[in-house]
Amino acid sequence: EVQLVQSGAEVKKPGESLRISCKGSGYTFTNFWISWVRQMPGKGLEWMGRIDPSDSYTNYSPSSQGHVTISADKSISTAYLQWSSLKASDTAMYYCARRIAAAGHYGMDVWGQGTTVTVSS
Amino acid sequence: EIVMTQSPATLSVSPGERATLSCRASQSVSSNLAWYQQKPGQAPRLLIYGASTRATDIPARFSGSGSGTEFTLTISSLQSEDFAVYYCQQYNNWPPVTFGQGTRLEIK
Repeated sequence: EVQLVQSGAEVKKPGESLRISCKGSGYTFTNFWISWVRQMPGKGLEWMGRIDPSDSYTNYSPSSQGHVTISADKSISTAYLQWSSLKASDTAMYYCARRIAAAGHYGMDVWGQGTTVTVSS
Repeated sequence: EIVMTQSPATLSVSPGERATLSCRASQSVSSNLAWYQQKPGQAPRLLIYGASTRATDIPARFSGSGSGTEFTLTISSLQSEDFAVYYCQQYNNWPPVTFGQGTRLEIK
């Protein structure tokens, strides 16, 4: 079964660092980009960025650039989303998602279960 | 950045009826558009990509159309499991990939 399994919920204080993970299984991890998508409480979907696990090339949204780091360890089929200094406004559900195989298309067909991040003093 | 605008914000439809959801792009995205369904407490589910191609295992009652700046998701005969929030997403000019704000499809 193709799946992405994310790490568990986190509760942090402002200014703390955090890394959440997304482990792929059931497919060749290096063949598919992984994206991170944020969903703030009661709000819509926001694409944060993506990584190509084969070479770790990344792209970020303007709002995420410089605030988060996306990385991957292909040896363990895992992608990461990392913050060096959290803000209360980072409180959200974070999903990882796999880009579909169809060439030239950027739909996301396999999603992790989501990781809830709560940042509060 | 391309802005995606969905309408209406909420759509009330009876089971068995047809639902039509709209998505407009601030500039042409060709056919590089996807649709997702999200139910409460669940991750999004890809329904359509390439504006009109159904994703794997998506029922035929879901169909997508449009190109350029105007797109439509049609659900031909609503089932109880179809009541959810629907998002469109463009990937023609990226980064960033951008989503619409969503349409909530509710039972009338």
